[in-house]
Amino acid sequence: AQSVTQLGSHVSVSEGALVLLRCNYSSSVPPYLFWYVQYPNQGLQLLLKYTTGATLVKGINGFEAEFKKSETSFHLTKPSAHMSDAAEYFCAVSATGSSNTGKLIFGQGTTLQVKP
Amino acid sequence: DTAVSQTPKYLVTQMGNDKSIKCEQNLGHDTMYWYKQDSKKFLKIMFSYNNKELIINETVPNRFSPKSPDKAHLNLHINSLELGDSAVYFCASSQNFATNEKLFFGSGTQLSVL
Repeated sequence: AQSVTQLGSHVSVSEGALVLLRCNYSSSVPPYLFWYVQYPNQGLQLLLKYTTGATLVKGINGFEAEFKKSETSFHLTKPSAHMSDAAEYFCAVSATGSSNTGKLIFGQGTTLQVKP
Repeated sequence: DTAVSQTPKYLVTQMGNDKSIKCEQNLGHDTMYWYKQDSKKFLKIMFSYNNKELIINETVPNRFSPKSPDKAHLNLHINSLELGDSAVYFCASSQNFATNEKLFFGSGTQLSVL
């Protein structure tokens, strides 16, 4: 069974500060990992994803995430927060191999607040 | 052009009614999904269709019935609505479930059951 845990349902940073959103996963098969962002009253948009290969993944809007198998983590970072980054962020895991059905298991979400 | 469009955006109805939510994607994708987002923003998959065939059917009450007339459309019909059905329902699509390509989401339908 797969699961995703996002530590901290609410993160508040000042504009220009480092953004760090934590995600840990559990998977019995090699996972594909995703970060999605949801702006108010909108659907989710993909920020970045890890499938195979390089463990540091760069996404849109200056975000990046690093897959650490030993820590079963996939934390999302951005060096300098902008006001426009305020949104809900979701980490997700997808099964691979014969158990793949395309189903995404989402974490509980983290609300990012950016203060001026 | 909106890639994944769902209607209506808001749906307010009484308990016991039957309602439908429609979804269309113009991306040429093979796979479509319905996700439910509860009041705590937790997202959970309900159904998935690939080329009009049901491939995921999570533990969802049988009052919920998806229908895919063609691979560009996936509608959700809900019978005998209950208070607990109040949520935001998101339609999504992906190129093909087997390739783990990214999901494209619609903007959601906020269902309020009174």
